[in-house]
Amino acid sequence: QSMLTQPPSVSGAPGQRVTISCTGGDSNLGLGYDVHWYQQLPGQRPKLLIFANSNRPSGVPDRFSGSKSGTSASLDISGLQSEDEADYYCQSYDGTLHGYVLGSGTTVTV
Amino acid sequence: EEHLVESGGGSVQPGRSLRLSCSTSGFTFGDYAMSWFRQAPGKGLEWLCFIKARAYGGATKYAASVKGRFTISRDDSKNTAYLQMNNLESEDTAVYFCSRGILFYTEYYMDVWGSGTTVTVSS
Repeated sequence: QSMLTQPPSVSGAPGQRVTISCTGGDSNLGLGYDVHWYQQLPGQRPKLLIFANSNRPSGVPDRFSGSKSGTSASLDISGLQSEDEADYYCQSYDGTLHGYVLGSGTTVTV
Repeated sequence: EEHLVESGGGSVQPGRSLRLSCSTSGFTFGDYAMSWFRQAPGKGLEWLCFIKARAYGGATKYAASVKGRFTISRDDSKNTAYLQMNNLESEDTAVYFCSRGILFYTEYYMDVWGSGTTVTVSS
């Protein structure tokens, strides 16, 4: 059972904006631990998309943005493109489990 | 450019052991933490374990699901991380990924990933 809750799927038309939520609790996001986001294209390795809530690594388009507030975080994808079809995972640290936790993943369909 | 390549996967019977390797290049391996994740068929990513760089004591962390059965280690002279998996169960069937950890304030995120190696546990 994932400690971070994500919707199983979201969908949108090309050019639209979608938002993926990531809900944690008092032992992870609520304790101030950062959230990171990964994109996994079909059959591929995960790729870092957003680190520390809202920071984009070099090469990640600015269509992707992240935010965090309290026990929740979100990933926004604007100007949706067909190449954005992938699974997206949020990740943080849990102070009670003393380890890393991941969301169950959200499949984005364009 | 940084590269991580996992190896050592394969088919194994329940109860047996397997050691995975994560060979790296393109960066100073000893300066970084490393982590292992897995992904069961059709399922999401699961974090397994983590080892800090020697400068941070080489401390390890484990998920409850593998603690006591799996052991992460590193050989900085070979630029390689390892995952020793003992007493394997059918539920351990998955693609195993290694990743590099980047310290941000107090905890880590994973910025580079390998392509994975497949482990199948079946009689």
